[in-house]
Amino acid sequence: TQLLEQSPQFLSIQEGENLTVYCNSSSVFSSLQWYRQEPGEGPVLLVTVVTGGEVKKLKRLTFQFGDARKDSSLHITAAQPGDTGLYLCAGFPDNYGQNFVFGPGTRLSVLP
Amino acid sequence: GAVVSQHPSRVICKSGTSVKIECRSLDFQATTMFWYRQFPKKSLMLMATSNEGSKATYEQGVEKDKFLINHASLTLSTLTVTSAHPEDSSFYICSARDISGVRTDTQYFGPGTRLTVL
Repeated sequence: TQLLEQSPQFLSIQEGENLTVYCNSSSVFSSLQWYRQEPGEGPVLLVTVVTGGEVKKLKRLTFQFGDARKDSSLHITAAQPGDTGLYLCAGFPDNYGQNFVFGPGTRLSVLP
Repeated sequence: GAVVSQHPSRVICKSGTSVKIECRSLDFQATTMFWYRQFPKKSLMLMATSNEGSKATYEQGVEKDKFLINHASLTLSTLTVTSAHPEDSSFYICSARDISGVRTDTQYFGPGTRLTVL
């Protein structure tokens, strides 16, 4: 079983639409990271959320960390084709030793 | 931000040969590096944790004699795929934690190495 779940797994939208990607767990995380990965490349860190209830904005991307630090969301406003990629949430669960765990990813395709 | 490099970015080899992949942290020291494998359209799967100056810790199901890891310095870890076979073909990605950074729980990833075994 996955320690981190992401939904939706696949998302195809038109340019200009808004979308939200969710990352959920039954475990508490001291922090969560969001990455974007393009084909043939390594994941690139977008943001780290640390405090329960925290909201961080990165241009058109808004990240939120749940109050209980078990879930997070990524909202993209007015999506552009350049946002296309695999979005991964990841982090160190509080009671999981040194293992860094990844969600299964959300594959986003933004059509022009 | 912190930078991690991998070399080579792409390698094609014959079945039975060994392939070495290097992972370097360019502007920070990393006592711990991680090696992942990623299949097409899938998320990253942790293979092993590379510890500077000591033996690597392998995840369940990963053969330590097949995937040799050496972490000889605070900026370099190597993964050697020994006697590679076509089923070893995959995208291998390393990552490192910046232990001296503000956020020590943040991982920085290399660009990946595409291994194709013929």
